[in-house]
Amino acid sequence: ILNVEQSPQSLHVQEGDSTNFTCSFPSSNFYALHWYRWETAKSPEALFVMTLNGDEKKKGRISATLNTKEGYSYLYIKGSQPEDSATYLCAFYTGANNLFFGTGTRLTVIP
Amino acid sequence: NAGVTQTPKFQVLKTGQSMTLQCAQDMNHNSMYWYRQDPGMGLRLIYYSASEGTTDKGEVPNGYNVSRLNKREFSLRLESAAPSQTSVYFCASSEAGPGLAGDSYNEQFFGPGTRLTVL
Repeated sequence: ILNVEQSPQSLHVQEGDSTNFTCSFPSSNFYALHWYRWETAKSPEALFVMTLNGDEKKKGRISATLNTKEGYSYLYIKGSQPEDSATYLCAFYTGANNLFFGTGTRLTVIP
Repeated sequence: NAGVTQTPKFQVLKTGQSMTLQCAQDMNHNSMYWYRQDPGMGLRLIYYSASEGTTDKGEVPNGYNVSRLNKREFSLRLESAAPSQTSVYFCASSEAGPGLAGDSYNEQFFGPGTRLTVL
């Protein structure tokens, strides 16, 4: 069992604000880091899969960075919109088909 | 293209009853997974199947059995349900194992979930 920590647990931002949150994971035995977006009453949807130290991925206003040596990843949302309200999950993969999920950061964007 | 489907959506069981949760995917994925989601905890892997004909235990396998019926279908069985198995269950699938270096298609695709209550 591996410890994947996400912070903060929840946050509220105003529409138009930019925000970021953190996923911390063990720095050894790294294979991949996944980010998922989970809207209420729906199922998680993949945002990014990151495999290399220094990786930066971008999808629209959302981007992510990865530091495998120190064991963290940041997810950034630029100009938050109400439709960005969701729980953002990260998951750490060490191989052997086992993905360890964090408990998520719950984002609420206030119009 | 339905993606990943799960049945039933909701189920209430009494302690000791048995049931099977069904999962199917139409994306021709090799790997399939069963997770449970409990309040205050991350998704936890119960069992997975890396390919048709193989199954392996995940983090929390006790009290469950699985069957990879064919490439499309992966079922989860509770033989004797207990209140501790009250949870939301998610099935997922992926092209292959989720960590092959450089592969961009190892994201997991999730079903809509089954909310199970054991009284």
